[in-house]
Formats: sequence, C-alpha cells, structure tokens
Amino acid sequence: AQSVTQLDSQVPVFEEAPVELRCNYSSSVSVYLFWYVQYPNQGLQLLLKYLSGSTLVKGINGFEAEFNKSQTSFHLRKPSVHISDTAEYFCAVSEDTGNQFYFGTGTSLTVIP
Amino acid sequence: DSGVTQTPKHLITATGQRVTLRCSPRSGDLSVYWYQQSLDQGLQFLIQYYNGEERAKGNILERFSAQQFPDLHSELNLSSLELGDSALYFCASSVGSGTYTDTQYFGPGTRLTVL
Repeated sequence: AQSVTQLDSQVPVFEEAPVELRCNYSSSVSVYLFWYVQYPNQGLQLLLKYLSGSTLVKGINGFEAEFNKSQTSFHLRKPSVHISDTAEYFCAVSEDTGNQFYFGTGTSLTVIP
Repeated sequence: DSGVTQTPKHLITATGQRVTLRCSPRSGDLSVYWYQQSLDQGLQFLIQYYNGEERAKGNILERFSAQQFPDLHSELNLSSLELGDSALYFCASSVGSGTYTDTQYFGPGTRLTVL
C-alpha cells in the first residue's frame, strides 16, 4: 500500500506571498497524483491531477504542481496567495493496479492579511 | 456545490448503536465512494460501488457495510458503534468505474459523534 506524507501540517503565509505545500509518496511504481482542497465545512474539491505527460501540472485557482519521480514528490505551489486560499489541502495517490486512493494527512494553509 | 448530497449533516448517537448514512451521487454518475475522515487517521477510503456492485474495498471495518440501490443512491451502515467511529464521513461520486482518470466529486459530509 502507498504511504503519502505531507510534512507540514500547518502553513501560515502572508497574502500575495508565494507558497509551496509538500507531498511525498512511498512507492515508485506507476502512480497517479492528485491535490484536493477542502474549504471550511465543505467536501473536497479537485485542484489538479497528474496522470502522465508533462511533469508540471496546472490546476484551478492558479495552483500548479510538479511531479518528481526520482524524489517521489508532488509539491503544490502558488506564486501569490489570496485570503480565499485559506483551506485544508490534501495530496492523494492512486496506483494503476486499483481504484483505491491514498490520502495524506492534510496541510492547513492560513493566509494572513 | 458538487452535486453530491449527503444526509444527515450531523448525527449524534451512543456506543453500541447502529446508524445509516445516505448519499445521492451527481446526476449521471455511476460510482459512489465512501471515505472516513478522523483526526488521528486522516482521510481513509472505505468502499466503492459501481452501478450497484461493490467495486473496491479499502479500510472498512466488518461492523460497517454499504450498498448502492437501483436509483444509484448509496447507504453506509455503521453498527455496534464505538467512540473511535466518531468522524466525518464523506461520499464521492464519479462517472465511470473508478479508474485513476475518473474525477471524484465529494459531498459535504456527515459528521458522526458517538457518545
């Protein structure tokens, strides 16, 4: 089974500053990678996903992530955050052998005015 | 609004009891997934149904069961409840059978508190 690590449980950042949320996964077999966002009192919403092709993936709300196979990482970035980006962010991994998603424990991003 | 609905929003019950959580997928979606989100274990995949049939199983306890009905809504049954079952239970749905290419749309969740 996969293990997904989000090292930073909380990330405070000032408005308009850049941010990087880190995600590492355990297995080097073929994987598919996802970032989800959870706003307060809501369900998860897909931000972006990597299935194949270019290792730089662009998602909604100005977020992007880079797949690094050698480092088994899929870090999420945004060059300039807004107050509205305050939320919980989850990294998830799926293998092509099954339908199961493995989620990280989440990173709480707080944007400070 | 993802189009996935879950009822009830909140549920408070006692240990040893049994509860049923309900999920209605987005119109046209054939797959339903159940997840449990707790503080100590994070977000865990429980089970998936596709067009009425069980498709994939994750970390679902034997005390828990689910089914998907002909109208594609799904129910998650939790029995012999323990304090540790207190969590947020999410339902998600997708169009297809749940390969990695299938985007899952999440409902708002049901918060279960076991006292």
